[in-house]
Amino acid sequence: QLQLQESGPGLVKPSETLSLTCTVSGGSFSSSNYYWGWVRQPPGKGLEWIGTVYYTGSTYYNPSLKSRVTISVDTSKSQFSLTLSSVTAADTAVYYCARLPLRYFDPVKFDYWGQGTLVTVSS
Amino acid sequence: QSMLTQPPSVSAAPGQKVTISCSGSSSNIGNYYVSWYQHLPGTAPKLLIYDNDKRPSGIPDRFSGSKSGTSATLGITGLQTGDEADYYCGTWDRSLIWVFGGGTKLTVL
Repeated sequence: QLQLQESGPGLVKPSETLSLTCTVSGGSFSSSNYYWGWVRQPPGKGLEWIGTVYYTGSTYYNPSLKSRVTISVDTSKSQFSLTLSSVTAADTAVYYCARLPLRYFDPVKFDYWGQGTLVTVSS
Repeated sequence: QSMLTQPPSVSAAPGQKVTISCSGSSSNIGNYYVSWYQHLPGTAPKLLIYDNDKRPSGIPDRFSGSKSGTSATLGITGLQTGDEADYYCGTWDRSLIWVFGGGTKLTVL
């Protein structure tokens, strides 16, 4: 059974950089059949797609966050990571990592999710 | 403002049926598969429907999906109190981004 687990600091100061890692176990990380992605949910708001990464390192980002986001992969550790720079209180959210199966190179769904991790931006 | 439009809330009595709409455009729903997610507080979102109308293993057939043109619909029959949750539609967009609907809060009266 595939499992994803987010890890990283739960508290980040304003203007600093948020860094999270997602560790994938129980399945093939370096498969050409999947993207890996990050989604967040600010308190009281809906789901927001942050971005996705392929095992080769190619990425797609939410245009509203693109200037501050980097998603990278470490295939040797079956991990992918999120960094979000210059954070503000508006970046306070539960952050989820997830898998996206591909069909004809387009992602079709989020089928496996991590449990989520709350990141609070506060001094 | 989301590229996919959902009603903020729907409600129905236990045992009844409810539908949740998701309206998009030709750059997303019109050309890509739609998926639906159930999100309960404090838990990870759960895939309910994929490829517009398919259910993953373990999802009861009370949940159904359909798509027509640039809109999609989630149907839930035989409503149970445990179905109270937020529901999101999602799909890929031609501009190479994933889009979620704004979410619909289901209340089982």
